[in-house]
Amino acid sequence: SAVISQKPSRDICQRGTSLTIQCQVDSQVTMMFWYRQQPGQSLTLIATANQGSEATYESGFVIDKFPISRPNLTFSTLTVSNMSPEDSSIYLCSVAGVGTEAFFGQGTRLTVV
Amino acid sequence: TQLLEQSPQFLSIQEGENLTVYCNSSSVFSSLQWYRQEPGEGPVLLVTVVTGGEVKKLKRLTFQFGDARKDSSLHITAAQPGDTGLYLCAGNDYKLSFGAGTTVTVRA
Repeated sequence: SAVISQKPSRDICQRGTSLTIQCQVDSQVTMMFWYRQQPGQSLTLIATANQGSEATYESGFVIDKFPISRPNLTFSTLTVSNMSPEDSSIYLCSVAGVGTEAFFGQGTRLTVV
Repeated sequence: TQLLEQSPQFLSIQEGENLTVYCNSSSVFSSLQWYRQEPGEGPVLLVTVVTGGEVKKLKRLTFQFGDARKDSSLHITAAQPGDTGLYLCAGNDYKLSFGAGTTVTVRA
């Protein structure tokens, strides 16, 4: 199993600013995933972060808006840049392998005002 | 494009009743998973089904995987208020593709 610590757990931010979310895993993992989830809705994959290479972004998400760092095998950050109210959401990091269980952080609830 | 469709979107039932949630895919996945998520928490895995026709039971929860490995169902018998949550199915190929989710509310 994997324990994921994500912070901050919530934040209220002014539009036009940026927020960096941190994700710490208690074991070394190859791939880390970042998701966005509207309250009560499903999860949408933003990007896959591999250590030592650039993140792979899903359709509709770009590096300039959601830059990701992956400095080592236990840590990653997601930055939400130049925020607007439409970015208000829950952001989750996850670790998983093919055919194996996915573990999630508790999420970061972001409100942009 | 949503690869996995879940129905119903919302389900509100009385304690003791049964419920079924459906997950249908336009693609075949190597495995399909069901998660439950409570407010303020990340999703937690309930079960993974791999083989077509597979049936798995977890106490009062029964999971079925269709023969063609493109659809699945979750059945809860004698639901309890503790079963309340967002139920998500997810197809797994090297990353997870989630369905839209079913919000289940069990009233005491």
